[in-house]
Amino acid sequence: TQLLEQSPQFLSIQEGENLTVYCNSSSVFSSLQWYRQEPGEGPVLLVTVVTGGEVKKLKRLTFQFGDARKDSSLHITAAQPGDTGLYLCAGASIGRHGSSTNAGKSTFGDGTTLTVKP
Amino acid sequence: GAGVSQSPSNKVTEKGKDVELRCDPISGHTALYWYRQSLGQGLEFLIYFQGNSAPDKSGLPSDRFSAERTGGSVSTLTIQRTQQEDSAVYLCASSFRQTGGFWYEQFFGPGTRLTVL
Repeated sequence: TQLLEQSPQFLSIQEGENLTVYCNSSSVFSSLQWYRQEPGEGPVLLVTVVTGGEVKKLKRLTFQFGDARKDSSLHITAAQPGDTGLYLCAGASIGRHGSSTNAGKSTFGDGTTLTVKP
Repeated sequence: GAGVSQSPSNKVTEKGKDVELRCDPISGHTALYWYRQSLGQGLEFLIYFQGNSAPDKSGLPSDRFSAERTGGSVSTLTIQRTQQEDSAVYLCASSFRQTGGFWYEQFFGPGTRLTVL
């Protein structure tokens, strides 16, 4: 069973502060996604990283995929109240030997609840 | 709208009753997923349909849970003899195969909030 551990579980900061959320696993993933979810809605994709060591930037958000493709981080610079939400990482895998047994199935972390106070 | 839709948005039922939750995926998406989410928590995988392949039911918590996907499109998640611990938000997502055979983004519906009294 592939597990993804996110930390911290809860984070409450003031507007303008920086923060980093971590997503760790002992398993290797073919790709890793970060989603953001607001209350009453489904998660929405922020980014997909597929290459070990890859860094992607989305405005004030910086995403990094570990060299071994087992971990990832999300860094937010100068957080704003609009960044408040539940942040989820999800690792995707492909089956062994080309099998499609679990191709397309993602493992989700337990999420980080971020609150940015004005 | 071209997004994933789910119905009902809210469902309140009594313990022991059966419930059916519906998911309409994005047209053309061959993969469909069901997840369960408790308040403020991550997503618990339930079941996954991929094209005409046999569904991956490994996440269903008990034999009271079942799901069907008719015609490769609409899916129904059925919970029989509901229990209070079944109370949660049930999310549906759909996806498609990207170039190179990797599956990337899942598009989620707004979820159905199930409350079992």
